[in-house]
Amino acid sequence: GDSVTQTEGLVTVTEGLPVKLNCTYQTTYLTIAFFWYVQYLNEAPQVLLKSSTDNKRTEHQGFHATLHKSSSSFHLQKSSAQLSDSALYYCAFNTGKLTFGDGTVLTVKP
Amino acid sequence: GPKVLQIPSHQIIDMGQMVTLNCDPVSNHLYFYWYKQILGQQMEFLVNFYNGKVMEKSKLFKDQFSVERPDGSYFTLKIQPTALEDSAVYFCASSSTGANSDYTFGSGTRLLVI
Repeated sequence: GDSVTQTEGLVTVTEGLPVKLNCTYQTTYLTIAFFWYVQYLNEAPQVLLKSSTDNKRTEHQGFHATLHKSSSSFHLQKSSAQLSDSALYYCAFNTGKLTFGDGTVLTVKP
Repeated sequence: GPKVLQIPSHQIIDMGQMVTLNCDPVSNHLYFYWYKQILGQQMEFLVNFYNGKVMEKSKLFKDQFSVERPDGSYFTLKIQPTALEDSAVYFCASSSTGANSDYTFGSGTRLLVI
């Protein structure tokens, strides 16, 4: 069945250093949209990035991700993490309903 | 930007009682969803709703659950009767289209069944 795998449950990084959150997926659908959602404490999840185009880099708020259908991946990266980036990050895709990964808690420390 | 409002934000209820969670979706959105998030766990799909009908529901959407959206009113999730394992945060979301669209989520209703 359809699934999203986020291998790290918790990532801790020092402010100013790069960060990468991994996301791989499994689906039989050929053309679907992929997302990164960010959820701050006690708030609603909100879209951070969206892509449905293979091998095209998508950027927003300093984060970027590239959908690679050949490796079924949509990793999230940022070159310089900020304290305000600390949150829960979900990778997801939409097949008529959003299917989320387990989420990765990103903690940025001074 | 446009928001999804959820009422109430918190609810404590005795096991076996009925609870109704209310959602005011984005005004021009046509598709509505409920998700369940147990503390520390992932967002899990419950149900989606379009044109007055349930389109798809997951195994988590037990027989005790029901959804509706009477014209011009809230999109509701009713649980009757509630069970201890229903304690979770319930997120409502809406979207303008189905597949390939991003969802606007509400801030959630924190339900505690005691």
